[in-house]
Amino acid sequence: EVQLVESGGGLVQPGGSLRLSCAASGFTFSNYAMTWVRQAPGKGLEWVSSISGSGGSTYDADSVKGRFTISRDNSKNTLYLQMNSLRAEDTAVYYCAKNPPATRAGYYYYYMDVWGKGTTVTVSS
Amino acid sequence: EIVMTQSPATLSVSPGERATLSCRASQSVSSNLAWFQQKPGQAPRLLIYGASTRATGIPARFSGSGSGTEFTLTISSLQSEDFAVYYCQQYNNWPLTFGRGTKVEIK
Repeated sequence: EVQLVESGGGLVQPGGSLRLSCAASGFTFSNYAMTWVRQAPGKGLEWVSSISGSGGSTYDADSVKGRFTISRDNSKNTLYLQMNSLRAEDTAVYYCAKNPPATRAGYYYYYMDVWGKGTTVTVSS
Repeated sequence: EIVMTQSPATLSVSPGERATLSCRASQSVSSNLAWFQQKPGQAPRLLIYGASTRATGIPARFSGSGSGTEFTLTISSLQSEDFAVYYCQQYNNWPLTFGRGTKVEIK
């Protein structure tokens, strides 16, 4: 069974840093792109960052570019999100999600087929 | 950035009735569109990808249609467990973008 378990959320002051982790199991982690999506309290879903299976390609939303860094350790089956210079507007539940496998032509589609339960990040003084 | 517009914001439907949800893209996304269901306190769940392909384990009462800029999610006969918020997402271009959601509530 595919499982994604996020951790690392918590309360942090504005300007602070936090690193989120997502432990994956039940699939060959290195074969799949992965994505972080967040949801502010009472709001909709917002894409944050995505990373290819090898980790060689990353994509970031403009709202986090230069502050957040997505990475992965395929030997540990773990996805990360390093969040620096945190702002109040970064307060949200952060979900880790798996993307589907590449097509036969090697093309990746970045929709999210399995989601973790999320970890809550609160940025407040 | 491609803007995804969902309508209506809230849909009131009686159990057993049909629900039709719309999603419009500000430019063509081909068939690279997914639908998700989210219940309170839970993570989203993939329903549809490729505009019309049901994800594994999704009941046949859920169907998706459309291409280009106009898409529809239809729930043929609403069950009690279907009352939730539904989001569309385009994955044709970066950045990935979601609609604001349609809340399906009990009439």
